[in-house]
Amino acid sequence: GNSVTQMEGPVTLSEEAFLTINCTYTATGYPSLFWYVQYPGEGLQLLLKATKADDKGSNKGFEATYRKETTSFHLEKGSVQVSDSAVYFCALSDQGTGGFKTIFGAGTRLFVKA
Amino acid sequence: DTAVSQTPKYLVTQMGNDKSIKCEQNLGHDTMYWYKQDSKKFLKIMFSYNNKELIINETVPNRFSPKSPDKAHLNLHINSLELGDSAVYFCASSHGSTNQPQHFGDGTRLSIL
Repeated sequence: GNSVTQMEGPVTLSEEAFLTINCTYTATGYPSLFWYVQYPGEGLQLLLKATKADDKGSNKGFEATYRKETTSFHLEKGSVQVSDSAVYFCALSDQGTGGFKTIFGAGTRLFVKA
Repeated sequence: DTAVSQTPKYLVTQMGNDKSIKCEQNLGHDTMYWYKQDSKKFLKIMFSYNNKELIINETVPNRFSPKSPDKAHLNLHINSLELGDSAVYFCASSHGSTNQPQHFGDGTRLSIL
């Protein structure tokens, strides 16, 4: 079956450091891939997405490239801010019985220190 | 202009009680979901409804009963609450027939005393 694996946290960085959060997936079809972010006390919200191989999703300085050959969708940001402290979820959406089904990774908590 | 709203935001109650959480979306989506998030932030799908019909029912105790009166609403009723039910419950919605992202509510934090 389909699955998503992302690096365990927490990840602790100083402000302006480079961020990478690894995400790999297994899927039988051709899924769409997403990164969601969850700020404290809030629900998940979409950060970026990519729908096919070699697509790059980007938003708010974050980027991730859909790599079919390595089945990966790693999240990167060149210079993190304290306000980026949150939990980040990698997810895939693939068509199954009854429509599209989304599978979430376990989440990676990011702490950014001033 | 809230997209997915769920009530209440906090719910503190005793073991053995019955409680309900309500969810409404104004995005015109046809699919709604309930998730349970534990203290380690792990997100687990519980139920999914498409056009008021149940399409996903993961391994959830039958004390949990969802109800969808129309496409815009999906409520969750929990009978005989147990300590292990303490968690944050999230409602979400999407266009189920596409691979568009889900939209989440802000969660209901359920605490069982």
